[in-house]
Amino acid sequence: EDQVTQSPEALRLQEGESSSLNCSYTVSGLRGLFWYRQDPGKGPEFLFTLYSAGEEKEKERLKATLTKKESFLHITAPKPEDSATYLCVTHSGSARQLTFGSGTQLTVLP
Amino acid sequence: GAVVSQHPSWVICKSGTSVKIECRSLDFQATTMFWYRQFPKQSLMLMATSNEGSKATYEQGVEKDKFLINHASLTLSTLTVTSAHPEDSSFYICSARGTSGSQYEQFFGPGTRLTVL
Repeated sequence: EDQVTQSPEALRLQEGESSSLNCSYTVSGLRGLFWYRQDPGKGPEFLFTLYSAGEEKEKERLKATLTKKESFLHITAPKPEDSATYLCVTHSGSARQLTFGSGTQLTVLP
Repeated sequence: GAVVSQHPSWVICKSGTSVKIECRSLDFQATTMFWYRQFPKQSLMLMATSNEGSKATYEQGVEKDKFLINHASLTLSTLTVTSAHPEDSSFYICSARGTSGSQYEQFFGPGTRLTVL
């Protein structure tokens, strides 16, 4: 059974304080690892897809990396508008559906 | 690109009535659409998967006669909650997977908040 574990559950940062969110996964036949951002009362917003170990993707203050067991979402000099829940999601050859992590709730204080 | 819309964004209805929620892919053709529900502070739970022109596949524990799904075109899927009851109150989110680009990426709609009185 595929498993996705995110840590920490919650993270509070000061504006400008860089940090990383962790996603550990155990899947059989990874076809894609996705990062989404979800704001309260909204659907998840697509951020990145990573396919293979060593791959990196960047978008503004966010950078996602992938190893064979983990993915990291690095946030550089965050702003209050980066506050949201960040979801790590996998798609594998053995699972019929996406496997969701429980999310990291990020709060960036001004 | 890859925008998915839902309508309505929120709905309040009386117990026993039916409610229809629309999900549209605005700038791409969606061969497969998914319906999720999400309770407060919880992760998304897949309810059903639908492919254009065929019957939806429901997850275990989801009543197909209560949650009717129609995927009549490559850009539109609808979820009808029949004879809604207060326990059906939830946040319903659809997602769509396209025919171009990554076949595994899913793009989510903004969600529909259903409140059954």
